[in-house]
Amino acid sequence: DAGVIQSPRHEVTEMGQEVTLRCKPISGHNSLFWYRQTMMRGLELLIYFNNNVPIDDSGMPEDRFSAKMPNASFSTLKIQPSEPRDSAVYFCASSPATGSPLHFGNGTRLTVT
Amino acid sequence: QQQVKQSPQSLIVQKGGISIINCAYENTAFDYFPWYQQFPGKGPALLIAIRPDVSEKKEGRFTISFNKSAKQFSLHIMDSQPGDSATYFCAASPSDTGKLIFGQGTTLQVKP
Repeated sequence: DAGVIQSPRHEVTEMGQEVTLRCKPISGHNSLFWYRQTMMRGLELLIYFNNNVPIDDSGMPEDRFSAKMPNASFSTLKIQPSEPRDSAVYFCASSPATGSPLHFGNGTRLTVT
Repeated sequence: QQQVKQSPQSLIVQKGGISIINCAYENTAFDYFPWYQQFPGKGPALLIAIRPDVSEKKEGRFTISFNKSAKQFSLHIMDSQPGDSATYFCAASPSDTGKLIFGQGTTLQVKP
């Protein structure tokens, strides 16, 4: 079991550029979550999917953020255009079923200059 | 009503001491209360979890105490060790969604 795999581990980009973060959940897990972690706001849930379908995206900060899950083994979080205030660590997590423990990846540290 | 409030923000404990972290919630729909441990550069990892049908759960040196009427729960780390130095997050969710809401975190430092 390789765990939840996120890429890249670090991303540095300039304001206005498009950023795509990637996540491979644990095989067999039906739920996938994207969280953002900052010192000021802690761990915030951005969006989650059940069986590849977005269930709740109320945490997505604005239209610049979008997330997709084209199949059970892959998800992306895209920011276009990026802004300095988007700088944070973005975590992907998966769970085998609704209400089961979440397994987190090691995150992508995004820096927007 | 969606918030989970965690305290203290930071904690320093001597090796062998007891570390206590507290959390409070408002939403009565929450029925799953996990604690996560996070080391620098890593994602949070599940430490221990409780559901409201019990008032206490113990796993090794880690114990969750749960007070449903007060809507509070706490993590106790017995015989704290330097290797326990990490950030601890409480969380809560309704089990029908799995949508975890996290507390702000507590940075624990255990001095040797």
